[in-house]
Amino acid sequence: SYELTQPPSVSVSPGQTARITCSGDALATRYTYWFQQKPGQAPVLVIYKDTERSSGIPERFSGSSAGTTVSLTISGVQAEDEADYYCQSGDSNGFYVFGGGTKLTVL
Amino acid sequence: DVQLVESGGASVQPGGSLRLSCVVSGFTFRNFWIHWVRQAPGKGLVWVSQIDRDGSYTSYADFVKGRFTISRDNAKNTVYLEMRSLTVQDTGVYYCVRPDSSGLSFWGQGTLVTVSP
Repeated sequence: SYELTQPPSVSVSPGQTARITCSGDALATRYTYWFQQKPGQAPVLVIYKDTERSSGIPERFSGSSAGTTVSLTISGVQAEDEADYYCQSGDSNGFYVFGGGTKLTVL
Repeated sequence: DVQLVESGGASVQPGGSLRLSCVVSGFTFRNFWIHWVRQAPGKGLVWVSQIDRDGSYTSYADFVKGRFTISRDNAKNTVYLEMRSLTVQDTGVYYCVRPDSSGLSFWGQGTLVTVSP
C-alpha cells in the first residue's frame, strides 16, 4: 500500500521557522494537502495542491514541493501553531492517503 | 455555514455492529461527495470510505472492505456508515468530511466508536 512518511516530531522556538516534510514515491506527480489538528479538535485544511493556502490561514504558512518530498513551512512560529500536522495525497486508485503525522512543539 | 454533525458512536463488543450518521446543512448536499475518515486514540488520520453525489459509486479502504457500507439519503441530507464485524482496531473517532475544489475542506466534530470486550 502507498505510504507517506513524516517525521514524528519537530521542535522550534517562537519566532523561528518550522519545516515539516512529507515523502512519498508518487508525490512528484500528485498533489499534497496539509492539515493542522489541535487536541480535541477536528483537522483543518491549511495548504492544498502543494502550495495554495486555504482561506483564513495566516501567511506564515506555506507549502513547497521538490520531487518526491513536499514541505510545510511555518515562518515566525507562534505558540498557537503547536499542533499535529498531517500531509495527505492520493494512491494509484485515487483513494486518500495520510502521512503518520508530525507533532510540532513550540519551545 | 457548512455544518456536518456525526452521531451514532457508542461502545460495543467485538463482533458487534453500529450505524453512524452524518447530517449536513449549509450547502446543497446532493452536489457533493462525502468521506469518512477515522482516528484511533493517539494515532493519525486514516481514510475509510467515500460516496459520490447520488450514491451510485462507493469505495473503501482495504481494512474495512466487506464489513463497512457507506450510503446516503439526499432527501434527508444524511450520510450513513454501517459498520459490522467490529474489532478493537476499529476504535476511534469517525469524522464525516465534505470536499471541495481545495480538497477535504469541511470536517464534522466526529463521533467516538469504542470496541472493547
